[in-house]
Amino acid sequence: GNSVTQMEGPVTLSEEAFLTINCTYTATGYPSLFWYVQYPGEGLQLLLKATKADDKGSNKGFEATYRKETTSFHLEKGSVQVSDSAVYFCALRTNTGNQFYFGTGTSLTVIP
Amino acid sequence: KAGVTQTPRYLIKTRGQQVTLSCSPISGHRSVSWYQQTPGQGLQFLFEYFSETQRNKGNFPGRFSGRQFSNSRSEMNVSTLELGDSALYLCASSSSGTGLNEQFFGPGTRLTVL
Repeated sequence: GNSVTQMEGPVTLSEEAFLTINCTYTATGYPSLFWYVQYPGEGLQLLLKATKADDKGSNKGFEATYRKETTSFHLEKGSVQVSDSAVYFCALRTNTGNQFYFGTGTSLTVIP
Repeated sequence: KAGVTQTPRYLIKTRGQQVTLSCSPISGHRSVSWYQQTPGQGLQFLFEYFSETQRNKGNFPGRFSGRQFSNSRSEMNVSTLELGDSALYLCASSSSGTGLNEQFFGPGTRLTVL
């Protein structure tokens, strides 16, 4: 079946620290991979995406590379800010339909 | 373009009641998906509608149902509410029938069952 596993939180970092949130997936076929972010009291917003192996998605200083050989899509940022505090969700969408599969979310808190 | 809107934003119901939630997708989007978000389970897929037809369905009991209208607006209904139905219900829309485009999420409806 299809599923997404991401690292448990919560994660607390100091401002300007390096961030990695691990995400691995199981899927049939060739999925597209996404990172969504949810700020307090809001819905999910797309952060970045990658649609095929070796693609790198990037946005707002965040990056993730689609690694087919390790079935991973880890999220990284070189220097986090307080405003990055949010919950981050890794997700996949199979290429045969419009159903998304989400990880359980990783809460990030950045302290000044 | 206006984003995905959901009404109401907050609801309080008691066990055994039923509830209807509404979602208006982004103009031109024909696919609407519903998710239940809880602290313990994360986001769980409920169902997806495209052009008034249910195209995908998650593993939820029959108490959870939905429909989509000709203007792509969608409603979700939960009957015989249980305490465990307390959650944030998120609606997401996308434009493509082939599922190649991203989903845009609404702010959610926070349902509390007492």
